[in-house]
Amino acid sequence: DGGITQSPKYLFRKEGQNVTLSCEQNLNHDAMYWYRQDPGQGLRLIYYSQIVNDFQKGDIAEGYSVSREKKESFPLTVTSAQKNPTAFYLCASSFTGKLGNNQPQHFGDGTRLSIL
Amino acid sequence: QQQVKQSPQSLIVQKGGIPIINCAYENTAFDYFPWYQQFPGKGPALLIAIRPDVSEKKEGRFTISFNKSAKQFSLHIMDSQPGDSATYFCAARAPLEALNFGKGTSLLVTP
Repeated sequence: DGGITQSPKYLFRKEGQNVTLSCEQNLNHDAMYWYRQDPGQGLRLIYYSQIVNDFQKGDIAEGYSVSREKKESFPLTVTSAQKNPTAFYLCASSFTGKLGNNQPQHFGDGTRLSIL
Repeated sequence: QQQVKQSPQSLIVQKGGIPIINCAYENTAFDYFPWYQQFPGKGPALLIAIRPDVSEKKEGRFTISFNKSAKQFSLHIMDSQPGDSATYFCAARAPLEALNFGKGTSLLVTP
């Protein structure tokens, strides 16, 4: 089955700890995205990547880092610099380039991060 | 800065009613306008999408109306059912960029 797999489903972070959220896709999509969802705030873009080894900051990148070493994978690290990390994190992917215009973003089922 | 403004924040309708959710945008570079449906604990799923060169698109019970001059678009759900109770997000995207989402509308359809 093609799709986007996010793991773990639930994650707990201690103060001062970095944690990494996994996102893997087998849809052969070029672009991958990370969003943060808070109640009543909609989805806010953290980082996105349109090609391997390249990524751009979104609206709320401070306190987060990403890497894109493989087309299928786009892990997100929530660093200790992110003072309010409790949220629902969503990964998405889509085609880009000429194929990408009007191509939908597909989402994973999210990781819920909480602070201990 | 919210690039897509969505209203209302929440909506309650009776079964068979027609909930309407509205969105507005300013960026004239946006050329793709999808709507997503999200159930609790799940990621958003694409419901229907429209380009600005058409004024209306229907897929099953879901209809998007688009007003390019007013920079507004809306989602209508015909013959709504309790199973349609979910959070709905509108979004907009300029070419080769990420989606910009509205803040969402929580819809409850009562039996």
